[in-house]
Amino acid sequence: QSALTQPASVSGSPGQSITISCTGTSSDVGSYNLVSWYQQHPGKAPKLMIYEVTKRPSGVSNRFSGSKSGNTASLTISGLQAEDEADYYCCSYAGSSTLVFGGGTKLTVL
Amino acid sequence: EVQLLESGGGLVQPGGSLRLSCAASGFTFSSYPMSWVRQAPGKGLEWVSAISGSGGTTYYPDSVKGRFTISRDNSKSKFYLQMNSLRAEDTAVYYCARDMRGSSAWDYWGQGTRVTVSS
Repeated sequence: QSALTQPASVSGSPGQSITISCTGTSSDVGSYNLVSWYQQHPGKAPKLMIYEVTKRPSGVSNRFSGSKSGNTASLTISGLQAEDEADYYCCSYAGSSTLVFGGGTKLTVL
Repeated sequence: EVQLLESGGGLVQPGGSLRLSCAASGFTFSSYPMSWVRQAPGKGLEWVSAISGSGGTTYYPDSVKGRFTISRDNSKSKFYLQMNSLRAEDTAVYYCARDMRGSSAWDYWGQGTRVTVSS
């Protein structure tokens, strides 16, 4: 049950697009279309942004999108806005009814 | 409106025990699996346990298996996390969260309750 690998930080200017990667293995990300992404602002609870790799919950901006290729899932944020600055975590089903998170990525909007 | 409210956090000595509670409202509680997720200070998220809607099936990662027990009382719309043999590394904010059935994701979260394990 090793953590998924995310970059520690990414940054972008307002209006730009950024992509956060989430690398797992053939036992988790690579085997299941059950990757989710969470946004967390300081001192706040996480918020679901993407589930089942590509699906957006009601109320989440369509500027957020998800994808997967092999053992790596990705979260793309287009048209960056100041309020997107937060920590982002990926999570994947890892078999045997277990789930594993990534280490988190701090997004800075320049 | 879906609401989740944790309680029961606090300071406990290493080796001690603590029981967290999560009160749910705004949805048919018994229809949803529920989970606990924690976050150590300055660290990332870690899934801690999950329980089926009926309460008949529970799940844990190796890091807490045998020490933590998740349970629920559907008549009260509450679920719990009994934490025994606590260690310093269990220090974290503990969040309760509602599972999206079949999606291995959590769509609603509580505000968190802080647990500190220290002598």
